[in-house]
Amino acid sequence: DGGITQSPKYLFRKEGQNVTLSCEQNLNHDAMYWYRQDPGQGLRLIYYSQIVNDFQKGDIAEGYSVSREKKESFPLTVTSAQKNPTAFYLCASSTTPGTETQYFGPGTRLLVL
Amino acid sequence: SQKIEQNSEALNIQEGKTATLTCNYTNYSPAYLQWYRQDPGRGPVFLLLIRENEKEKRKERLKVTFDTTLKQSLFHITASQPADSATYLCALYNAGNMLTFGGGTRLMVKP
Repeated sequence: DGGITQSPKYLFRKEGQNVTLSCEQNLNHDAMYWYRQDPGQGLRLIYYSQIVNDFQKGDIAEGYSVSREKKESFPLTVTSAQKNPTAFYLCASSTTPGTETQYFGPGTRLLVL
Repeated sequence: SQKIEQNSEALNIQEGKTATLTCNYTNYSPAYLQWYRQDPGRGPVFLLLIRENEKEKRKERLKVTFDTTLKQSLFHITASQPADSATYLCALYNAGNMLTFGGGTRLMVKP
C-alpha cells in the first residue's frame, strides 16, 4: 500500500525545545516538500528536496531545518528559533520537482505548551 | 506582487445544485493549474490538472475551466452531494518555480 506517512499526528513543544516531524514515502518519488498551514489559510512552502542529500529553502524556512539522507525520508525539525510554531504541517512528494501531482501525508499538528 | 485569490467565505449550496468555485491570480504565467480537495485535519488530495493551452477539463462530476486572459479558473461540481463538503484549494505552477497554493474555499452542501 503506497503512500506518505507522517508522525506523530499531534506533537507538543515546550518553550525552547527542538522537535522533529517525521515524513516517509514509499512512492519512489524524487521530490519531497514540507508545508505549513495556519487556520483558514493556504499552504506555505518551508523546504523542498529534489534529490537525496540536497534541499532548498522555501518561502518560510526561518526557524526550520531538514535533512534528506534517504530517498524515502525527509524529516523536519522545528527549532527554538521558530517563535510561532503552532500550525498544521504537511509533507508531500512528487515524481519530479515542482511538477504534476503532489501527494500529501495526513499531517502533523504542532501545539506549543 | 504575485497573488492567488480564492473566496475565503464558505460557499453554501443545496444538494443537487452545481457548486462553482473561483480561483483568480495576478502576476503569474502558470504553465498549469491544479485543484485539490482537503477535508478537516487531513492532507489535500489531488483532483484535476489543467494546462495553459487547455480551456476545459472534466472528470466525472467535476469540471475545471482555465482562462489565461481573465487569469481565472473555475471549478464546478455538478449534482453536488453532502459528501462533497470540504475545502477546495487551487494551485499554480509557474515554470521554474514551485507549486503555489491559494487559501482555499470551504464548500458546504446541505441535504
